Amino acid sequence: DQQVKQNSPSLSVQEGRISILNCDYTNSMFDYFLWYKKYPAEGPTFLISISSIKDKNEDGRFTVFLNKSAKHLSLHIVPSQPGDSAVYFCAASGDTGGFKTIFGAGTRLFVKA
Amino acid sequence: DVKVTQSSRYLVKRTGEKVFLECVQDMDHENMFWYRQDPGLGLRLIYFSYDVKMKEKGDIPEGYSVSREKKERFSLILESASTNQTSMYLCASSLGLRGLQPQHFGDGTRLSIL
Repeated sequence: DQQVKQNSPSLSVQEGRISILNCDYTNSMFDYFLWYKKYPAEGPTFLISISSIKDKNEDGRFTVFLNKSAKHLSLHIVPSQPGDSAVYFCAASGDTGGFKTIFGAGTRLFVKA
Repeated sequence: DVKVTQSSRYLVKRTGEKVFLECVQDMDHENMFWYRQDPGLGLRLIYFSYDVKMKEKGDIPEGYSVSREKKERFSLILESASTNQTSMYLCASSLGLRGLQPQHFGDGTRLSIL
């Protein structure tokens, strides 16, 4: 039972265009959402986060949108750069459930020059 | 900058062996985690620890145990390795468990059980 789902295993985008990575969750008790980026042969690194009291958080080229009623969040990267090519993991946690963070399966983003 | 160091990048072991994966963090974080990463399944939590000598089971603890004798070190033990434990293992640490505290990951150990 996957509580956090990233339904697109991969996404290919042209350099300079927008990348949109999607994430759905099933547990309404999740309050905190984080995105991590992972390059090959490296561990994931934290990218951006959002709490359930907000619907948008922006950091430079990266924006995360949260739609609580739809249990959906998305990561927008504008403009996309070849260095953004990586696997992106969506993660969620709440103040209950033992404080565990649940990760999605990841989406591999290819940004073509 | 937080550094999480995993002792081996690649490890090859045989079925039935006892395997130790070591992880050290240098930021005095209270919390440490062990995950495995498998294609199509993302990161799955094996065990975590919120204090020295404390441990909590994650989602897939079967066949594993952990040890945290010192704050900076968290060890994952495969009691009797099996081929289905071939995977990428990731260690992480965090300052807090609640809210938006991010986890800081090591570069992973790719473990093959033959």
